[in-house]
Amino acid sequence: DQQVKQNSPSLSVQEGRISILNCDYTNSMFDYFLWYKKYPAEGPTFLISISSIKDKNEDGRFTVFLNKSAKHLSLHIVPSQPGDSAVYFCAASAYNAGNMLTFGGGTRLMVKP
Amino acid sequence: SAVISQKPSRDICQRGTSLTIQCQVDSQVTMMFWYRQQPGQSLTLIATANQGSEATYESGFVIDKFPISRPNLTFSTLTVSNMSPEDSSIYLCSVVPGSYEQYFGPGTRLTVT
Repeated sequence: DQQVKQNSPSLSVQEGRISILNCDYTNSMFDYFLWYKKYPAEGPTFLISISSIKDKNEDGRFTVFLNKSAKHLSLHIVPSQPGDSAVYFCAASAYNAGNMLTFGGGTRLMVKP
Repeated sequence: SAVISQKPSRDICQRGTSLTIQCQVDSQVTMMFWYRQQPGQSLTLIATANQGSEATYESGFVIDKFPISRPNLTFSTLTVSNMSPEDSSIYLCSVVPGSYEQYFGPGTRLTVT
């Protein structure tokens, strides 16, 4: 039973345009959500997070939106750059689960010059 | 954030042998986690390793196969015992230096032949 799902295994975007990566979850106990970027042969790099008390969090080119009623979050990257090409994972944690993260399957983003 | 190093960065091992992976953090952290990323898959939590207590293993992972040590607040080891080709994965440690965000090491790429 996948509690966190990223239904798009890959996404291709032109440089300068917006990249939108989506993530759905089923566990209503999740109250904190994170996005990670992963390059091959490296560990995941933390990008941005959002608490369930918010619906939006912004950091530079990265914005995360949370729709609790739909159990859906999305990561927007504007403008997209070729260096953003990587695998993006969303992850979720519950306040009573001791910071344990449940990861989605990942979306491979390719930004074309 | 935290700076995390892992040793070895990669290894090729024979079936039936064991490998111990080290994780070193540049600051004292209470919570440390070990994850596995099998080829083409997402990250799966193996166990939580908090200093001063026994590691807590997730479903599907047992101490006999993945013994963990946590001798102090900056160091941990994960041993992959009696290896088989199915153990070929990237093994990652992570820490929570603050409240929620987890930071990952660079990973250990293990190939079992």
